[in-house]
Amino acid sequence: AQSVTQLDSQVPVFEEAPVELRCNYSSSVSVYLFWYVQYPNQGLQLLLKYLSGSTLVKGINGFEAEFNKSQTSFHLRKPSVHISDTAEYFCAVSENKAAGNKLTFGGGTRVLVKP
Amino acid sequence: KAGVTQTPRYLIKTRGQQVTLSCSPISGHRSVSWYQQTPGQGLQFLFEYFSETQRNKGNFPGRFSGRQFSNSRSEMNVSTLELGDSALYLCASSPPSATDTQYFGPGTRLTVL
Repeated sequence: AQSVTQLDSQVPVFEEAPVELRCNYSSSVSVYLFWYVQYPNQGLQLLLKYLSGSTLVKGINGFEAEFNKSQTSFHLRKPSVHISDTAEYFCAVSENKAAGNKLTFGGGTRVLVKP
Repeated sequence: KAGVTQTPRYLIKTRGQQVTLSCSPISGHRSVSWYQQTPGQGLQFLFEYFSETQRNKGNFPGRFSGRQFSNSRSEMNVSTLELGDSALYLCASSPPSATDTQYFGPGTRLTVL
């Protein structure tokens, strides 16, 4: 079984400042890693994913994340945030296996971008 | 290409009733997964269907069930509703070319009174 911990439940940040959202996971098997964003009254939108290969993954809207296997982490970063980045962000893992989709999510991090 | 669609978007039911939610995946996607989102428990996996067969199942009671049709559309049913079933129910679909990646619909907000 896997588990995901998002270390910060809320992150206030000023516009144009950098932001980092922390995610740690636990799994006994190889996993895929994802970050999703949820805007108010909407579903989840995929920001980026790590399947294999380069540990630095670039996603949409200027976000990037780095996979660190030794620290079992997958932190999300953006060098300069906009007001429109105000949303809730979810880190998720799934087992690296051929059949079946089952995402295990962290508890989410609410990002509030202040002008 | 149209995204994942879910109907209805909002639903109000009373305890003891049953409810059916519908999900239409992105065209060409054959895998459909369902998740429950609540403030207390967060996002939790319910089940996944692929080619009309349940392929994975989460840790929910038997009151929660689902099915998938030959056109990949899926429905989930909750019987004997409880207050705690109030949640946002999200559906996600995956393409054959990238079965690891799920694309989510806008969800159905269910309120149980």
